[in-house]
Amino acid sequence: GQNIDQPTEMTATEGAIVQINCTYQTSGFNGLFWYQQHAGEAPTFLSYNVLDGLEEKGRFSSFLSRSKGYSYLLLKELQMKDSASYLCAVKDSNYQLIWGAGTKLIIKP
Amino acid sequence: DTGVSQDPRHKITKRGQNVTFRCDPISEHNRLYWYRQTLGQGPEFLTYFQNEAQLEKSRLLSDRFSAERPKGSFSTLEIQRTEQGDSAMYLCASSLVSSGGGTDTQYFGPGTRLTVL
Repeated sequence: GQNIDQPTEMTATEGAIVQINCTYQTSGFNGLFWYQQHAGEAPTFLSYNVLDGLEEKGRFSSFLSRSKGYSYLLLKELQMKDSASYLCAVKDSNYQLIWGAGTKLIIKP
Repeated sequence: DTGVSQDPRHKITKRGQNVTFRCDPISEHNRLYWYRQTLGQGPEFLTYFQNEAQLEKSRLLSDRFSAERPKGSFSTLEIQRTEQGDSAMYLCASSLVSSGGGTDTQYFGPGTRLTVL
């Protein structure tokens, strides 16, 4: 079967750095997406990785290792508004998105 | 670019009633997706369209669910004879897929929250 694993919940301090991991087992791989979702709102696109390595976008970076079936989202200089769920999704061999359950990130002052 | 819009934002209905939701995608996007999401879970794929053609429908999707995209622009999702288990957030997303490939990044609307009493 296809599976995306993420921690259920993480807590971090305002101004700090946090890394959210995602491991996947899918039938094929055609890219990995990270989305941010605030409570009661729709997911918003953060990043896309299809090749190994690090993609940096402002305070957010995303890393991919296809051989390990592993990605992480790195958030720097955390702000209170970063409190949200972070969803990892992998596009499989049929080009369908397989979604993780999301990681709820709690930022404390 | 006005983004993806959905209507209504909230719907409360009684068990057994039919409901219909509308999604207006980003204007130049050719793909439109429907998802269902419950608390603490990621989005669950329901179906998707490329232009007006419905290319895939989840095998887990009951026959009570039907979707249309008649002119390749907006789409509707209808749920017949609603059940309490249908209570969820229904999300629509759109993307642009060109012949040259691309990321097919999906952009989501605000969702319709359905409560079945």
